[in-house]
Amino acid sequence: DQQVKQNSPSLSVQEGRISILNCDYTNSMFDYFLWYKKYPAEGPTFLISISSIKDKNEDGRFTVFLNKSAKHLSLHIVPSQPGDSAVYFCAARSTGTASKLTFGTGTRLQVTL
Amino acid sequence: DSGVTQTPKHLITATGQRVTLRCSPRSGDLSVYWYQQSLDQGLQFLIQYYNGEERAKGNILERFSAQQFPDLHSELNLSSLELGDSALYFCASSPGLAGGRSDTQYFGPGTRLTVL
Repeated sequence: DQQVKQNSPSLSVQEGRISILNCDYTNSMFDYFLWYKKYPAEGPTFLISISSIKDKNEDGRFTVFLNKSAKHLSLHIVPSQPGDSAVYFCAARSTGTASKLTFGTGTRLQVTL
Repeated sequence: DSGVTQTPKHLITATGQRVTLRCSPRSGDLSVYWYQQSLDQGLQFLIQYYNGEERAKGNILERFSAQQFPDLHSELNLSSLELGDSALYFCASSPGLAGGRSDTQYFGPGTRLTVL
């Protein structure tokens, strides 16, 4: 049972444009969400997170939006840069399960020149 | 560089064998987590240790075990290996803050295990 879903396995965006990566979840107990970026042969790198008490969190070029009623979150990257090309994982956690993270299967972002 | 180190980087072994993966957390982090990533899958949580004690368990097979030592490094032991155990194994660490909500996990580079 996939509790965190990233339905787009890949996304291609031109440099300078906006990249929007989507994530859906089914477990209503999730109350904290994170995005990680992963380059080949490296471990996931933490990007940005959001608590369920907020609907938006911004850090530089990265903004995460949370729609609790739709159980949906998205990561916006503006402007997209070639160095952003990587696999992006959405992850979720519920307070009652210690710090266990449940990950989506990832979206491969390709930023083209 | 996340500050989390994992050894070895690659491991090739045969079915039925036993291997040990090692993880050193970031300086000051008390929690260590192990995740498995099989081909084209997301990361699956295996187990968490906090300051030497097991805190949470995921879908970890009985053939797998882990421990965290007094110096806070951790080892994941995989025994009676099967072809399906071939995967990337990641270790992550976090401060282990009380409350846990904003306790961000930082990942090591992973160990790629190939079982032939």
